[in-house]
Amino acid sequence: QVQLVESGGGVVQPGRSLRLSCTASGFTFNNFGMHWVRQAPGKGLEWVALTSYDGRSKDYADSVKGRFTISRDNSKNTVYLQMNSLRPDDTAVYYCARPRASVVQGGGLSYYFDYWGQGILVTVSS
Amino acid sequence: QSVLTQPPSVSAAPGQKVTISCSGSSSSIGNNYISWYQQLPGTAPKLLIYDNNRRPSGIADRFSGSKSGTSATLGITGLQTGDEAIYYCGTWDSSLNVWVFGGGTKLTVL
Repeated sequence: QVQLVESGGGVVQPGRSLRLSCTASGFTFNNFGMHWVRQAPGKGLEWVALTSYDGRSKDYADSVKGRFTISRDNSKNTVYLQMNSLRPDDTAVYYCARPRASVVQGGGLSYYFDYWGQGILVTVSS
Repeated sequence: QSVLTQPPSVSAAPGQKVTISCSGSSSSIGNNYISWYQQLPGTAPKLLIYDNNRRPSGIADRFSGSKSGTSATLGITGLQTGDEAIYYCGTWDSSLNVWVFGGGTKLTVL
């Protein structure tokens, strides 16, 4: 069965760095892009970053662009989120999610997240 | 402020029906398929509806989805107390070239 397990969270001071990992099992990891999504305490879901199946294509939410870097190691079935210059408003539960994507008739996209990790808490506080 | 607009909350009695709306734009819902996620308290989101109206295996047929133009609707019939959760819509935005979520709708089963 598909499993996504996040790790690396914790408490960190503002301005410092943290690297999250998401280790996948139960599917052919290098066939899928991967995403990170976060949820601040009491708030809604916020998309953070994506990487293509081979790591060559990446994109970020404006709120993290220039500070966060997504990467992957297909030999380890793991996707990472390197978070630098952390701010208190980066405090959130971070989820990794597996997307399913395809182009549909008419040129639109079928795109959704069929599996999610359990989430890992990152707290940015002095 | 979310790119997709949902009502903050809805409520209904057990056994009743409720609908949750999600409004977007021509580059988001208008151009691409929408999905819906259920987040029970203290848990990760779970896929509920994909491709506008398709249910993953294991999702009850009490849950349904529809789309018209730049808006989508999640319907839940035969409400149960276990359906109390926050429901999110989401889709790809072809103009922003990013994934976008709605702000979430909290369902209360009275």
